[in-house]
Amino acid sequence: ETGVTQTPRHLVMGMTNKKSLKCEQHLGHNAMYWYKQSAKKPLELMFVYNFKEQTENNSVPSRFSPECPNSSHLFLHLHTLQPEDSALYLCASSQDRGDFGYTFGSGTRLTVV
Amino acid sequence: GENVEQHPSTLSVQEGDSAVIKCTYSDSASNYFPWYKQELGKGPQLIIDIRSNVGEKKDQRIAVTLNKTAKHFSLHITETQPEDSAVYFCAARTTDSWGKLQFGAGTQVVVTP
Repeated sequence: ETGVTQTPRHLVMGMTNKKSLKCEQHLGHNAMYWYKQSAKKPLELMFVYNFKEQTENNSVPSRFSPECPNSSHLFLHLHTLQPEDSALYLCASSQDRGDFGYTFGSGTRLTVV
Repeated sequence: GENVEQHPSTLSVQEGDSAVIKCTYSDSASNYFPWYKQELGKGPQLIIDIRSNVGEKKDQRIAVTLNKTAKHFSLHITETQPEDSAVYFCAARTTDSWGKLQFGAGTQVVVTP
């Protein structure tokens, strides 16, 4: 276990569904991230949170809504997704500003049908 | 912003041979360069990193070299083993106010017995 836990591991949802992805870290890190990983593409940064405050929204469509209630938990709320949103969604954490690299979770494999 | 290019996209090597993956970056002020290994069904895991004040770093069978003048860095894996088969990502830390990591597109390494 890497110290960053993501649930669920797999998710299939219809375009009209509402679902949430959960990420929890037990490392005492202050920053948390959501990344989208699609085949043959670089990791795409979606959101950055530092001490529960959102510091970056990388032009992500509003159908993705993040929530960070505390430094240990991060959620990604999904609503009215499109088939092209199907991907592996990775959560990561870092001590501070990525100076010491990120610790990633195993990801949630999302399929939108 | 920072742009990271990674080559090759796929690499097939015989067990026991060496593997080399190269990355170039665009921002000469970038100062931190981690490498991640992603095995099937798992999130990326940090395997080695290097900072801009160092030219080379080794950890058992893996090493990373950095050429700041040319703005490129490389991952070297010696005496490859089947368990080295995975996708490898390079990254560079951006120099914006946050300092997030910009990832390369990844290299699929296949080690054949």
